[in-house]
This record gives sequence, structure tokens and C-alpha cells, in this order.
Amino acid sequence: DAKTTQPTSMDCAEGRAANLPCNHSTISGNEYVYWYRQIHSQGPQYIIHGLKNNETNEMASLIITEDRKSSTLILPHATLRDTAVYYCIVRTHGGATNKLIFGTGTLLAVQP
Amino acid sequence: ETGVTQTPRHLVMGMTNKKSLKCEQHLGHNAMYWYKQSAKKPLELMFVYSLEERVENNSVPSRFSPECPNSSHLFLHLHTLQPEDSALYLCASSQDGVVGGYTFGSGTRLTVV
Repeated sequence: DAKTTQPTSMDCAEGRAANLPCNHSTISGNEYVYWYRQIHSQGPQYIIHGLKNNETNEMASLIITEDRKSSTLILPHATLRDTAVYYCIVRTHGGATNKLIFGTGTLLAVQP
Repeated sequence: ETGVTQTPRHLVMGMTNKKSLKCEQHLGHNAMYWYKQSAKKPLELMFVYSLEERVENNSVPSRFSPECPNSSHLFLHLHTLQPEDSALYLCASSQDGVVGGYTFGSGTRLTVV
């Protein structure tokens, strides 16, 4: 699986959009971009995933560049409960052997 | 119950004890996983089970022994652990061949004394 690079930490004001970047310059054509988050001492929570097109769900939006070498997770109106470590992971989907490998992620601190 | 349930939530054990962590998923998934998260470290994948068969063991010491009796249950048997094994142990499940993510449990916080 390709590796990803994320900033170690970011701050965001409550109510503002949080934009979390991820670089995955070695991503291959059949690899998806997945985002998870982990609130302190809880299990990671799936947020969203995408291949080429931008995706949106009730939690967030995912913007993938045309060359697929980077992406941005957008939380449109961050709240204090969005404070967590956010992980960007690339992997082929399906199959237990296409395992989910976590890096160090970005610690997003939402400030009141 | 729905999702992935892990018990116990907290466990304190001595180095000579034997204990087991339990994970149960109610999602109809066919793959299950154990992860370990030590303080201020990334999650480490320990074991992967697919269709109740172990498909991966990431060089985990033999004092950790997984068991998957059926597709809904996963155990992690612990014996003669060391203090450095203190960590958050997370179970996850997924459905092979389906686009989507893993579902994680809330974890067991293990302290070895």
C-alpha cells in the first residue's frame, strides 16, 4: 500500500471549516483514499473514502486532486466533538489481506 | 446490540495471570482483526482472520494467542504478559469484497502490573 503524509497537528476554530490535507504521491490506480478518525481512547471511526471523484456524506467531504496525489478532508462546521486524530490511508478495497495500516495521523484541535 | 462489542473495557492483570479479551460483531462481516495501540504510538495490526482462518500474524509474541471460533466472535488469549504489553487493544471487522471501511470496537484498556 502507498504511504501518506499528513501534518502532525492542526487547530480550527469552532464553527469554521476544518481542512485536513494528505499527500499520497505514490498512490496506484486501484487504490482508494480512506479517512478515519480516533477520538481519545476510543476505536477509530470510518469517515469517508473515494477513488477519483469528490465525495460527500453526512460527516465530511473528500476532495481528491485530478492527479490523485493528494486529497483534503473537509469538516464543514467543526465542533468541539470533532477534536480527534484523523488518519488518511490508501489501500485497495476489499479482502482481509488488503489490510488497513494506520500512520500517525493529524491531531485536529477544535478551539472554542 | 449492534456494531462491534469488546469486553472487558478495562483489565488489570499480573504478569503470571491468564486472561482473555472478547470481541463480538453483529454486522454479518466475514473478516476480523486485532490491533494494539500503545501510548502515543500508531495502531499496530496484530492478527487478521478471514472466514475464520488466520491469514496474517504480524510477528506477534506467542504470549498473545488469538482464536476465532466463528465469524462473529474473536478472542485474544493472554498469558505471561510484560508491563510493556499495557495498551489499548482494538478489535475490528469488515466484509471482504465490499467497498467500505472497517468497524472498530471501543477497545479494551489493558494494564499489566
